[in-house]
Amino acid sequence: GAVVSQHPSRVICKSGTSVKIECRSLDFQATTMFWYRQFPKQSLMLMATSNEGSKATYEQGVEKDKFLINHASLTLSTLTVTSAHPEDSSFYICSASGTRSGTDTQYFGPGTRLTVL
Amino acid sequence: KNQVEQSPQSLIILEGKNCTLQCNYTVSPFSNLRWYKQDTGRGPVSLTIMTFSENTKSNGRYTATLDADTKQSSLHITASQLSDSASYICVAANNAGNMLTFGGGTRLMVKP
Repeated sequence: GAVVSQHPSRVICKSGTSVKIECRSLDFQATTMFWYRQFPKQSLMLMATSNEGSKATYEQGVEKDKFLINHASLTLSTLTVTSAHPEDSSFYICSASGTRSGTDTQYFGPGTRLTVL
Repeated sequence: KNQVEQSPQSLIILEGKNCTLQCNYTVSPFSNLRWYKQDTGRGPVSLTIMTFSENTKSNGRYTATLDADTKQSSLHITASQLSDSASYICVAANNAGNMLTFGGGTRLMVKP
């Protein structure tokens, strides 16, 4: 299957700082990327959908000014958690779909564990 | 409202035994049904994807079934191994297949 990577795999930051998470599709062009958040023992919750070159579409309840998403190229999307607070601590997972995988398959990244102190 | 419900929430079985996980979905318009395995602290990995016209699909020791009439799916794991311990997530896709509705997952623990 297609390969999606995330960096970093885990990050610890102080409250009030900003953290950037990268999501890359390594062997296909991802026209659409998705960002999910997963709290312990819960399933994935979609935060936003981004199409290359356009603004992201955020799910209800997700603050677009707090979770900045950039999808500037067909292989890279970034999620920036601004002014992070302890309640933002979570497992963030991206997925990508595109020309290799077709329009009906999402390939998931390995996730990024964010801990805000 | 699109919904996916899974049962049981958690399951403990002995190594070598079989088990079946259940999934009921209400997603419209329905595109496909997917099962993912998620190890702790990792991203989900696809096991099977089935469209409404497919009744069953296998991937090694994993066999998924789909009944599009009753909107039910199951994932059968044969001869379980310790490495099968993980969360198994049922996901229904609608529209072009890119809008996913996730179930709450079944946490499986395989004990020696």
